[in-house]
Amino acid sequence: QQKVQQSPESLSVPEGGMASLNCTSSDRNFQYFWWYRQHSGEGPKALMSIFSDGDKKEGRFTAHLNKASLHVSLHIRDSQPSDSALYFCAAGASSGSWQLIFGSGTQLTVMP
Amino acid sequence: EAAVTQSPRNKVTVTGGNVTLSCRQTNSHNYMYWYRQDTGHGLRLIHYSYGAGNLQIGDVPDGYKATRTTQEDFFLLLELASPSQTSLYFCASSDVGLGVQDTQYFGPGTRLLVL
Repeated sequence: QQKVQQSPESLSVPEGGMASLNCTSSDRNFQYFWWYRQHSGEGPKALMSIFSDGDKKEGRFTAHLNKASLHVSLHIRDSQPSDSALYFCAAGASSGSWQLIFGSGTQLTVMP
Repeated sequence: EAAVTQSPRNKVTVTGGNVTLSCRQTNSHNYMYWYRQDTGHGLRLIHYSYGAGNLQIGDVPDGYKATRTTQEDFFLLLELASPSQTSLYFCASSDVGLGVQDTQYFGPGTRLLVL
């Protein structure tokens, strides 16, 4: 079983709608979480990080972290066709390793 | 924004062949990483380095060697390529000091096909 699991595998939302992506870790050592976004034909690009419980908002993007349940989510408000991409959740441990563990991704399609 | 370049962008080789993938970053980042991306597995770390001459093993190192010749340059070597190594390879870099709290900057990727 992967240490970082994402759901759903794919998601379609209408333009202007809300997209919600989920990520759960199975390792309590993971304390730092990232969302990366990858457009087709490009490398992943960091979207936002969240290291503390609660919400973190950056423009139309809001991440939510619950460390007790090892669950992190990403909500995209007013989704745009340019948001169509593969979204990765990544987790890192609080000590000892420089390694990020990536989930398998959620493919988001925003329909015009 | 940090710049990471990779070459070649596409490569086709035969089973048993030698392949070298190149990565260069021009932002004086200390850490560099090699990942492979496969459907259903996301990104998996092969090797990483925290400076010239240093090499650390990642999660899926079998069949791969890596070498960090300078602060800027990180190479991934497949000495006896196998079809299971057909994949999309990404190089990334990050600055010093904060470990997993640092942003990783990815290159555009190299698509490798092993026949």
